Amino acid sequence: DQQVKQNSPSLSVQEGRISILNCDYTNSMFDYFLWYKKYPAEGPTFLISISSIKDKNEDGRFTVFLNKSAKHLSLHIVPSQPGDSAVYFCAALLWGSSYKLIFGSGTRLLVRP
Amino acid sequence: GAGVSQTPSNKVTEKGKYVELRCDPISGHTALYWYRQSLGQGPEFLIYFQGTGAADDSGLPNDRFFAVRPEGSVSTLKIQRTERGDSAVYLCASSSTGSGTYNEQFFGPGTRLTVL
Repeated sequence: DQQVKQNSPSLSVQEGRISILNCDYTNSMFDYFLWYKKYPAEGPTFLISISSIKDKNEDGRFTVFLNKSAKHLSLHIVPSQPGDSAVYFCAALLWGSSYKLIFGSGTRLLVRP
Repeated sequence: GAGVSQTPSNKVTEKGKYVELRCDPISGHTALYWYRQSLGQGPEFLIYFQGTGAADDSGLPNDRFFAVRPEGSVSTLKIQRTERGDSAVYLCASSSTGSGTYNEQFFGPGTRLTVL
């Protein structure tokens, strides 16, 4: 039973354009959502997060949007750069628990020069 | 500073054998997590340590899996009687601990386990 779903296994965009990565979740009790980025042979690295009490968080080229009623969040990267090519994981957690992360299956982003 | 390190980076073993995977967390981090990433999937939680104790082991798939952290720093994940389905990348993460706050989990590069 996947609680966090990323339905697009891959995405290809042109350099300079916007990349939009999507994530859906089923547990309305999730308090906090995160995006991690992973390069081959490396561990995931934290990118950006959002609390369930907010609907938007921005950090430079990266913006995460949260739609609680739809149980949906998205990561926008603009402008996209070739160095952004990686696998992106959406994750969620329950506050006050062990803070264990529940990950989606990932979306592989390719930014074409 | 030094990040989370994991050894070995690759481990190939035969079905039925015993393996140990080691994690060295970031110095001073009291929280330590183990995750498992199977091919085409996201990391899946296995166990969480706060200090020396396993505060949440709800993700361990069965009793063949066991983890320890005797001195509150280095942790070892132990797998007995390995099966081919145990083949995956085993990731370790550590974080500092704040009261009532989420602290970023920093991941190591993982150990790729292959069971033949």
